[in-house]
Amino acid sequence: EVQLVESGGGLVQPGGSLRLSCAASGFTFSSYSMNWVRQAPGKGLEWVSYISSSSSTIYYADSVKGRFTISRDNAKNSLYLQMNSLRAEDTAVYYCARANSIADGLIQHWGQGTLVTVSS
Amino acid sequence: DIQMTQSPSSLSASVGDRVTITCQASQDISNYLNWYQQKPGKAPKLLIYDASNLETGVPSRFSGSGSGTDFTFTISSLQPEDIATYYCQQYDNLSMLTFGGGTKVEIK
Repeated sequence: EVQLVESGGGLVQPGGSLRLSCAASGFTFSSYSMNWVRQAPGKGLEWVSYISSSSSTIYYADSVKGRFTISRDNAKNSLYLQMNSLRAEDTAVYYCARANSIADGLIQHWGQGTLVTVSS
Repeated sequence: DIQMTQSPSSLSASVGDRVTITCQASQDISNYLNWYQQKPGKAPKLLIYDASNLETGVPSRFSGSGSGTDFTFTISSLQPEDIATYYCQQYDNLSMLTFGGGTKVEIK
C-alpha cells in the first residue's frame, strides 16, 4: 500500500523558514516523480512544486519561485520542501503527492498533509 | 499559464439525482485532465484520469468526458457518501499544473 507521511509543519513567523519532509513507503520511491500541493484554509488546491524521479527536472509555481526548494533523497525514500522567506499567504496544508508511473502530471496518491501557519 | 474554469462552484441535489460539473481550459489540453474528490478534512482522491478513465476501485456512477478545452464530470446517481468538493486538474503543461476552483456538492 502506498503511504506518504508528511511532517515538519507548524507555526512560523513571517520571514522565517521551515522544512517539510515526506516519508514514502509501499512503492519504489526512486521510480516516481513527486509533487507538493497546498491548500489554504477554506480554499482550493494549488500546485507548488514538482521533482522528477532522478531530481533532474524541477518546477515551481510562480508564487514560491526563489523562496522554496524541493529536493529528494531516494536512498531515504524521502521528499523535502525547504521554505524560506515565508509569508502569511503561504499558510496552508501542504500535501506530498506521488505521480503516476507513466504520466508525471497525473497525481495518483496523496499524503494526509501537514499544516503550515505563518503568523506573528 | 493554463487556467481551469470550473462550474458551478457549489450545487445542491437530492439523493439519486444526476449531477454534472464542467471544467473549461483556457487552451487546448487534449485529454490531460483529471478529476479529484476531497471530503472535509481529508486529502484529495483521484477519481477520473485522462478525462474519461475511471481510477481502479472508484464506483461506476462516476464518469468523465471531453477533450480539448471542454470537460464534464458526472455522478449518475448521487449518494450521501458523495458529499465532497470536486476538482479538475490539467497536466498538459507539466511545468505548471493547475486545478479548477472546485465544486462543493451538497445534499438537498
